[in-house]
Amino acid sequence: GEQVEQLPSILRVQEGSSASINCTYENSASNYFPWYKQEPGENPKLIIDIRSNMERKQTQGLIVLLDKKAKRFSLHITDTQPGDSAMYFCAAGGAGNTRKLIFGLGTTLQVQP
Amino acid sequence: ETAVFQTPNYHVTQVGNEVSFNCKQTLGHDTMYWYKQDSKKLLKIMFSYNNKQLIVNETVPRRFSPQSSDKAHLNLRIKSVEPEDSAVYLCASSYWGGADTLYFGAGTRLSVL
Repeated sequence: GEQVEQLPSILRVQEGSSASINCTYENSASNYFPWYKQEPGENPKLIIDIRSNMERKQTQGLIVLLDKKAKRFSLHITDTQPGDSAMYFCAAGGAGNTRKLIFGLGTTLQVQP
Repeated sequence: ETAVFQTPNYHVTQVGNEVSFNCKQTLGHDTMYWYKQDSKKLLKIMFSYNNKQLIVNETVPRRFSPQSSDKAHLNLRIKSVEPEDSAVYLCASSYWGGADTLYFGAGTRLSVL
């Protein structure tokens, strides 16, 4: 299977709190897990990614965790700000002959002041 | 910084017409993609090309046909549009060697009346 499940679909948090988005994937051969942020009217932009040789990666208030056994990965945004409000997509893939990325359905994050 | 260029930005047409979308990347990537993003923001891969060779051809209607003249260009033609083709079509590019970051263009919004 190639599905990537992403939850929640909508996430509302208070400014300053943390936000977590979880994804699961089916293809155990997947080796690349990027996260994209899409603001209204804009194209998706990479914010952080992790490869299968790592379990944790952190950059500028973003933390990604990867559990290959459970085929699960997650994005954690610490100290959320109103500018973090956007649509977030996880993706999994990079394996096999096609190396295609399969995207989750997206999470709308709303950071309330 | 914009390095994946799509034209047109918007296109409004009627059922049964033919449309063509253009995409050019100046990043020196060897792989290009077409994704469709529907009204629910679902990102679904349609095609990918590596060095002008078709790599991924998802189950899309036969009226869709990609065209690549060189590794920096990937166009999309829709022979006879249907109402369900209304969506944003996102072009992207990346390096093939190992899964890598997708850089998306600004998208072409197609409205079929």
